[in-house]
Amino acid sequence: NAGVTQTPKFRVLKTGQSMTLLCAQDMNHEYMYWYRQDPGMGLRLIHYSVGEGTTAKGEVPDGYNVSRLKKQNFLLGLESAAPSQTSVYFCASSYRDHTSPYNEQFFGPGTRLTVL
Amino acid sequence: AQTVTQSQPEMSVQEAETVTLSCTYDTSENNYYLFWYKQPPSRQMILVIRQEAYKQQNATENRFSVNFQKAAKSFSLKISDSQLGDTAMYFCAFMKPNSGYALNFGKGTSLLVTP
Repeated sequence: NAGVTQTPKFRVLKTGQSMTLLCAQDMNHEYMYWYRQDPGMGLRLIHYSVGEGTTAKGEVPDGYNVSRLKKQNFLLGLESAAPSQTSVYFCASSYRDHTSPYNEQFFGPGTRLTVL
Repeated sequence: AQTVTQSQPEMSVQEAETVTLSCTYDTSENNYYLFWYKQPPSRQMILVIRQEAYKQQNATENRFSVNFQKAAKSFSLKISDSQLGDTAMYFCAFMKPNSGYALNFGKGTSLLVTP
């Protein structure tokens, strides 16, 4: 049981390049999230998904796109990278049950992205 | 919109002592969850403790406990018998029901435990 994994762990891009960050979870969780962490800012929500085939915008969605074609995977895409997207990106997942929707989120190890 | 405020950017405590990290939040919701996450230098986000708003009893997890004051919208974390391994960033977070139960984080408190 690997939990939540993220690929890659590090990446350096040039302005204007594109890339996709992959998040995978093996816990059969319905909910998945992408956050970014910047110094002094805490984590901020980029996009989230409440199930396979569904996505929604979070607090800071501009410049990013996401897809959830399979329940276990949540992809974050940067079509044209900008220096402002230099950050650490975290993926998280959680489950829902009939007793409570407010369940713990499990985080991946993060991806450090630098855009030059 | 919910906001989470951590007013202490940095704190320091000696080993074996007790320290309290503060957190306040703003919401119009009546039922919600609050969390404290720890982020050590490894960068991994680790759940420390969580509190259900409808429960009056404060949550405890071993050396970690919270002081939840719903009327004051305050959710502080107390770490007893501090250990060197407690050195980390600590984030207070509010779970948002209308955004897929995503977390709204404070800016964090950097805690240093000294020998």
